[in-house]
Amino acid sequence: AQSVTQLDSQVPVFEEAPVELRCNYSSSVSVYLFWYVQYPNQGLQLLLKYLSGSTLVKGINGFEAEFNKSQTSFHLRKPSVHISDTAEYFCAVSPLLTQGGSEKLVFGKGTKLTVNP
Amino acid sequence: SAVISQKPSRDICQRGTSLTIQCQVDSQVTMMFWYRQQPGQSLTLIATANQGSEATYESGFVIDKFPISRPNLTFSTLTVSNMSPEDSSIYLCSLLLGGTQYFGPGTRLLVL
Repeated sequence: AQSVTQLDSQVPVFEEAPVELRCNYSSSVSVYLFWYVQYPNQGLQLLLKYLSGSTLVKGINGFEAEFNKSQTSFHLRKPSVHISDTAEYFCAVSPLLTQGGSEKLVFGKGTKLTVNP
Repeated sequence: SAVISQKPSRDICQRGTSLTIQCQVDSQVTMMFWYRQQPGQSLTLIATANQGSEATYESGFVIDKFPISRPNLTFSTLTVSNMSPEDSSIYLCSLLLGGTQYFGPGTRLLVL
C-alpha cells in the first residue's frame, strides 16, 4: 500500500517570495508522482507529474518539483509566488503496475497556500 | 490531457432522496474513477469503473449506497442513494490517460 504525507497543512507567504511545499511518500513498489492544485470552488488541475526520466520536472504556472528516491520525497517549489497562486495543493502517488501504467491515486491531506500582498 | 464535464455542477437535496451525477469525457478511456472530497478534506476514492465490468469499490463504500454505471467508453454515472447530511461533499470523476489521472470540475452536493 502507499501513503502520502504533506507535512504542512497551511503555508502563508508574501507575494514574490519563494515557496516550497513538502511531500513525502511511502511505497513498497515504484510509483508515479503528481501534484494537483485546487483553486477555491473548483476541481483539481494537474500541476506536474513524474513518470520517469529527469528527476526535476517543470509544470504549469512556474512550478517545479524534484523527485528524490532516496528520501522518498517530491517537494514542490516556486521561486516567486503570486496572489493568484493561493489555492490548495495536493500531492499524490500511484503505484506503477508491472505491466505498465498506473491506477488509483493516493492523495496527501493537502497544503493550503495563502499568498499575501 | 482530456476534457471532462460533470452534471450537475452543484445541487441541494433533501435527506432520503437520491442524486445521479453524470460524467462525460471527450476521449475513449477504459478506466474511470469516482472520488469524494468531504468539506476541508482530501480526496477519497469511492470506486473504479471500467467499461464492460462491474465497478470495484474501496473499503467503506458499497454498491447499494453508490451505484455506478459505465455504459460506454466516454460516460459514467454515480448515484448517491438515500442521502443524509453526511453525504454533503464534492464528488469528482476522473479518467486515466497516459498514466495520468485527469479530473472533472466536481459536483458540489449539499444534503439538508
